[in-house]
Amino acid sequence: EADIYQTPRYLVIGTGKKITLECSQTMGHDKMYWYQQDPGMELHLIHYSYGVNSTEKGDLSSESTVSRIRTEHFPLTLESARPSHTSQYLCASSNSLGEQFFGPGTRLTVL
Amino acid sequence: KNQVEQSPQSLIILEGKNCTLQCNYTVSPFSNLRWYKQDTGRGPVSLTIMTFSENTKSNGRYTATLDADTKQSSLHITASQLSDSASYICVVSDRGSTLGRLYFGRGTQLTVWP
Repeated sequence: EADIYQTPRYLVIGTGKKITLECSQTMGHDKMYWYQQDPGMELHLIHYSYGVNSTEKGDLSSESTVSRIRTEHFPLTLESARPSHTSQYLCASSNSLGEQFFGPGTRLTVL
Repeated sequence: KNQVEQSPQSLIILEGKNCTLQCNYTVSPFSNLRWYKQDTGRGPVSLTIMTFSENTKSNGRYTATLDADTKQSSLHITASQLSDSASYICVVSDRGSTLGRLYFGRGTQLTVWP
């Protein structure tokens, strides 16, 4: 099993709250990713990072922001959560061969 | 437009039976194709990865095939077990960018009944 962790696993919050989803990996991978996945739908890339101090927006527009201050840590922040943000958020990192390893995901529900 | 289509959308089989899942893609230029297994509420886990020159690759009871000419892949599961119940996702990577962009299918939801 890959050494990539996400917390919390489940989060239920009210509209307008600020939240941070944590993601960390112990594999020393430079590239990290955040995906959003709704039930029965494909994964959509919302953010990615090539390394420390490098972050880019993905294919799907997202109101979230990310930071990459340390190689192993890639947190995602929502400044003001809304019901439309309800989804599953998956973090991943990739090795030099491009193989991606996924975390267990955070299931977010905004009331 | 780069796309990955999977069929069937869902499948129910009895324990011990075999099944085959399909994946068609239009991603170009092609780099590799991967099959992932995603248990409910979990992240995807890689089953196989196939490059352009590979036709078949096995991982235990899972056998993936790739026809790069017709841009089709299949995942065959032999002697299914209850633990095989999951979503199986086909993912195709292009080689047109440094990022190695991944294109995800919507998955086939497999349910194995006792």
